[in-house]
Amino acid sequence: NAGVTQTPKFRVLKTGQSMTLLCAQDMNHEYMYWYRQDPGMGLRLIHYSVGEGTTAKGEVPDGYNVSRLKKQNFLLGLESAAPSQTSVYFCASRLAGAPETQYFGPGTRLLVL
Amino acid sequence: EDQVTQSPEALRLQEGESSSLNCSYTVSGLRGLFWYRQDPGKGPEFLFTLYSAGEEKEKERLKATLTKKESFLHITAPKPEDSATYLCAVQAPGANSKLTFGKGITLSVRP
Repeated sequence: NAGVTQTPKFRVLKTGQSMTLLCAQDMNHEYMYWYRQDPGMGLRLIHYSVGEGTTAKGEVPDGYNVSRLKKQNFLLGLESAAPSQTSVYFCASRLAGAPETQYFGPGTRLLVL
Repeated sequence: EDQVTQSPEALRLQEGESSSLNCSYTVSGLRGLFWYRQDPGKGPEFLFTLYSAGEEKEKERLKATLTKKESFLHITAPKPEDSATYLCAVQAPGANSKLTFGKGITLSVRP
């Protein structure tokens, strides 16, 4: 099993450009999450999904949209990138029941100029 | 609001010098406390889950313990390969409950 994979690994955007980050998992997990990690701050939840076709807002959702059209994929979109969205983005997934351990992907580094 | 505070922010140890990392938390009913290890440029890697005060879990040189207010990650005779950032997170009760993470502790073990 590949676990949780993220595409791309690194991206540079100009202010105002749009992009989509892809997260894929092959563990048949129901729940999926998008976090951002910034220096000096803990991981912060952007959006999450408890199943195919469902999404919900996390702690810092502004400026991001998500979609979960297939159980194994969770997409994070930036419609109009801003420098404040420069960060490392992590995707995670877990089973709906116990154990409720979240498994993380390798991350996507995004630089917005 | 759930809060997680980890201390110290950074810790430098000599190889073989045992120590402990602290995770203090405030949550309205703990559903679970999680420890992760994160290497530079990589995603967090799961280490332990603790559910109730008094619980302990071990893995190689690491041992995690839990009280009603804090958790400790004890590192016995650390090696340079234990150098990483250690993250603590708490989960509150409720369906779809989410994790609240601390800022992490960066551990450096010198040979």
